[in-house]
Amino acid sequence: DSGVTQTPKHLITATGQRVTLRCSPRSGDLSVYWYQQSLDQGLQFLIQYYNGEERAKGNILERFSAQQFPDLHSELNLSSLELGDSALYFCASSDRDRPSPLHFGNGTRLTVT
Amino acid sequence: AQKVTQAQTEISVVEKEDVTLDCVYETRDTTYYLFWYKQPPSGELVFLIRRNSFDEQNEISGRYSWNFQKSTSSFNFTITASQVVDSAVYFCALRQVSGAGSYQLTFGKGTKLSVIP
Repeated sequence: DSGVTQTPKHLITATGQRVTLRCSPRSGDLSVYWYQQSLDQGLQFLIQYYNGEERAKGNILERFSAQQFPDLHSELNLSSLELGDSALYFCASSDRDRPSPLHFGNGTRLTVT
Repeated sequence: AQKVTQAQTEISVVEKEDVTLDCVYETRDTTYYLFWYKQPPSGELVFLIRRNSFDEQNEISGRYSWNFQKSTSSFNFTITASQVVDSAVYFCALRQVSGAGSYQLTFGKGTKLSVIP
């Protein structure tokens, strides 16, 4: 158990809809990262937050947004969903803002129909 | 730009055979970290090892060993006496230290290992 909690485990929704994925980092970790895993693109970095502030952006679409709250949990919001957004979304956390290992949650599998 | 290449898409071995998973990376940084993660069929990503660019000492952990060669930009992973439970997708990843202060991982495409009983 990595200590990173992601909810829900599965989400099935229709095109055009909006969903929110939630992540609770390991106790004490200030950095939260979001990754998308799809068959064709592999594991792609989306966005990082550190202690509530956005630190880096990767290949995140404009339809997607995220935030990290004062209690350090994070939410990833996906809107105007398309079939191609179907993927496994991972959250990871690490302590402070250093190159320590990222500890990943079990992921949220999103299916857009 | 950073890049991680895992040329082996899929590997099948018979139980008890040794298997090596290759990883080649590209980076302009002199300081960086390399990682291996395991993704079993259940889907979670499990951290296996981290190496920094200044430490080329090989590492062994039980049946797992890692060979880091800076001269060839490779960080290969060997499983000795493979077992069915080793069946998974294995990812090599690179993490930069310099730059904008962000430490996101750049992953390879992964190697799917199937261990046949």
